[in-house]
Amino acid sequence: TQLLEQSPQFLSIQEGENLTVYCNSSSVFSSLQWYRQEPGEGPVLLVTVVTGGEVKKLKRLTFQFGDARKDSSLHITAAQPGDTGLYLCAGATTGNQFYFGTGTSLTVIP
Amino acid sequence: DTGVSQDPRHKITKRGQNVTFRCDPISEHNRLYWYRQTLGQGPEFLTYFQNEAQLEKSRLLSDRFSAERPKGSFSTLEIQRTEQGDSAMYLCASSSRPGGNTGELFFGEGSRLTVL
Repeated sequence: TQLLEQSPQFLSIQEGENLTVYCNSSSVFSSLQWYRQEPGEGPVLLVTVVTGGEVKKLKRLTFQFGDARKDSSLHITAAQPGDTGLYLCAGATTGNQFYFGTGTSLTVIP
Repeated sequence: DTGVSQDPRHKITKRGQNVTFRCDPISEHNRLYWYRQTLGQGPEFLTYFQNEAQLEKSRLLSDRFSAERPKGSFSTLEIQRTEQGDSAMYLCASSSRPGGNTGELFFGEGSRLTVL
């Protein structure tokens, strides 16, 4: 059972377009992380957000944590082919467990 | 490079056989996690160790699954009497955050299991 639902599940866009990925849950998390995974590799951390309402920017990527700490979004500006991959959100509990979302597979077409 | 390593990378087995996967975490990391992932989906939490203590075990982990971390270093995940539904990528991750819950998970490349 996945506690976090991501949408969309699949996304195929042209290079230069913008996109937003959503991560929603009915559970409250102490923090939320976003990872990116490429085929044949394990996920790699992009960012951690801790405070409700927090916004973090990483170059062309903007991450937001919902006020109630139940949801998050990832916005990519001017997507590039190198952004292609599986994007995963992960909610952390007070018991140091990390529950991953259902995943969003992004393909950026040159 | 002393990242998380997993062995074997690939395992093909017949239904009913037992398989064991090994994970060597980053040496100073005290927390170790096992996840299962199917193609295009997010990893599903299986179990979690802090040092040698197994602190949490998912309901997904049936009696056929067992994990150990005997000396608080490497860990093994054993699946007994494998079924075709066990086919998946088994990911191991480690973390070192001494307190709190914002520690980064460092993943290995996974062990892919195919049950025929």
